[in-house]
Amino acid sequence: QVQLQESGPGLVKPSQTLSLTCTVSSGSISSGSHCWSWIRQPAGKGLEWIGRIYTSGSTDYNPSLKSRVIISVDTSKNQFSLKLSSLTAADTAVYYCARVSRQWLVGTGEYYYYGMDVWGQGTTVTVSS
Amino acid sequence: EIVLTQSPGTLSLSPGERATLSCRASQSVSSSYLAWYQQKPGQAPRILIYGASSRATGIPDRFSGSGSGTDFTLTIRRLEPEDFAVYYCQQYGGSPWTFGQGTKVEIK
Repeated sequence: QVQLQESGPGLVKPSQTLSLTCTVSSGSISSGSHCWSWIRQPAGKGLEWIGRIYTSGSTDYNPSLKSRVIISVDTSKNQFSLKLSSLTAADTAVYYCARVSRQWLVGTGEYYYYGMDVWGQGTTVTVSS
Repeated sequence: EIVLTQSPGTLSLSPGERATLSCRASQSVSSSYLAWYQQKPGQAPRILIYGASSRATGIPDRFSGSGSGTDFTLTIRRLEPEDFAVYYCQQYGGSPWTFGQGTKVEIK
């Protein structure tokens, strides 16, 4: 059973850059059957999608965060990472990593996506001086 | 960006009752790429439904999803005590992926 685990600092100062890592265990991050995503949730609020990455390195970001976000993947470590710069108090949230499963549909030239089917437990990040 | 609006905000029901949650999209969701997630306090979300109507692995058949285009519904046939939680819809047919604001199903 694949598991995801977020890691990183719990407290970061305003204007600094947040760096989080998601480690994938009991499965390979290099599988073409998945892409990998980051989501965040401020306390008592809803979910916000941050972005996703494929093991090819291709990325897609939420435009609301695009100027401050970099998602990368390290297949040798079975990890993917999030960097979020120019932090403010509004970035205080629980940050989740998640796996998105997909399947190649023979004859169509497309993948079918199954949604975010495995999530990490989340890590709380507070932006404060 | 596709905006998802969930209703109602809160649903107060008793165990054994039927719950009907709505998710309306501001534009058509491509390929019916609409998922439903359940979240309990202090826990990560868990996928219930993908592709608008397909149950994820291990999800009880009392959960069902329906809809297409801009209108989607999650139905919980008979509420069990463990079903009281917050439910989010999410579209992944267009970028950026977006979530609804959530519906809380609480015990009446």
